[in-house]
Amino acid sequence: NAGVTQTPKFRILKIGQSMTLQCAQDMNHNYMYWYRQDPGMGLKLIYYSVGAGITDKGEVPNGYNVSRSTTEDFPLRLELAAPSQTSVYFCASSSGRGEAFFGQGTRLTVV
Amino acid sequence: GEDVEQSLFLSVREGDSSVINCTYTDSSSTYLYWYKQEPGAGLQLLTYIFSNMDMKQDQRLTVLLNKKDKHLSLRIADTQTGDSAIYFCAVRGSGGGADGLTFGKGTHLIIQP
Repeated sequence: NAGVTQTPKFRILKIGQSMTLQCAQDMNHNYMYWYRQDPGMGLKLIYYSVGAGITDKGEVPNGYNVSRSTTEDFPLRLELAAPSQTSVYFCASSSGRGEAFFGQGTRLTVV
Repeated sequence: GEDVEQSLFLSVREGDSSVINCTYTDSSSTYLYWYKQEPGAGLQLLTYIFSNMDMKQDQRLTVLLNKKDKHLSLRIADTQTGDSAIYFCAVRGSGGGADGLTFGKGTHLIIQP
């Protein structure tokens, strides 16, 4: 029962570096999402995808990019890391009919 | 856009019932969710309710939905120390799965012995 798998779990980046957060789901869900969670706040939607080849911006997309070449994978790219991107990042997937499952998160620190 | 509000803290005695409340603004919301987050962990889906339902019960959990008042609650019966966590209310809009979920800021449930 893998569900939604995120890698890495932790990462420290220097300002200006780039990285890709990986997300994979094995439930054949069409909908996938990236959220960020800042301390004391709820989750904010960064990007989402309704199927392979289709992505769109959420509430806080600046500084991020995504791609969806397969149903299973939805990587999130940070091109020029900034301290404001220090956060916990969650990937989620859904069939669109109810249940929405989250990964365990990636804790990113930009120094 | 959608706005979801929750109290930040709730303190209850072990063995009592906990009631966590949530209000939302979009009357066309379709699904409403409760997630549990323990320290340093991801979000665990506890339960969800479709907007045409008033109540859903699952073991110690009872979800009540008042659609007229746009009010959702989660009752945890016989609260245990393992229930100590942050509980997030989340709402899905009328756009199906395409628009993601809107989250409240979470309610910290504190269990007193």
